[in-house]
Amino acid sequence: EDQVTQSPEALRLQEGESSSLNCSYTVSGLRGLFWYRQDPGKGPEFLFTLYSAGEEKEKERLKATLTKKESFLHITAPKPEDSATYLCAVQADNYGQNFVFGPGTRLSVLP
Amino acid sequence: EAGVTQSPTHLIKTRGQQVTLRCSPISGHTSVYWYQQALGLGLQFLLWYDEGEERNRGNFPPRFSGRQFPNYSSELNVNALELEDSALYLCASSSGQRNGYTFGSGTRLTVV
Repeated sequence: EDQVTQSPEALRLQEGESSSLNCSYTVSGLRGLFWYRQDPGKGPEFLFTLYSAGEEKEKERLKATLTKKESFLHITAPKPEDSATYLCAVQADNYGQNFVFGPGTRLSVLP
Repeated sequence: EAGVTQSPTHLIKTRGQQVTLRCSPISGHTSVYWYQQALGLGLQFLLWYDEGEERNRGNFPPRFSGRQFPNYSSELNVNALELEDSALYLCASSSGQRNGYTFGSGTRLTVV
């Protein structure tokens, strides 16, 4: 069965304490893996798209990587404003244009 | 460039009533997607419209329906509201298969 899971469910970091979030997927024919950031009560905000294993994308303190089975979102020296829920979504052959979202990781960065 | 706009931002309805939510995609985007995000849960796919046609629907009962207009804006209709329909309803638009979604800010529906 196709699945997208994320871990940990919640993560608390001190400001400056680097860490990684995981997104694991089991789908056939991956077309793309997408990372979003969602603040409470708002719509998700697009961060990155990764298309093939080995690909990396960076944006400020965030770096996303992709393997054949999972993706990592590395957060370097996070700041309190990085606190949000981070969602990954998968687009695959058997979903057509639809995305399947993971449940998200709720990140809190304490000052 | 205006983003995806949704209206209303919040509303409260009584169980059994009907509700219509509206979405305007980014100019030039022909695909509109609707998602439900209940409190503490992930995004659940509801409906996908492209070029005025319903292309796919998620695992939701028929009382969830919608349509897309010639200007690509969209409506989501929910009939016979139930308490568990309380959620953030998100609309997103896309310009192509390899592009990510751009989401609106959502409509917060509370059913009492």
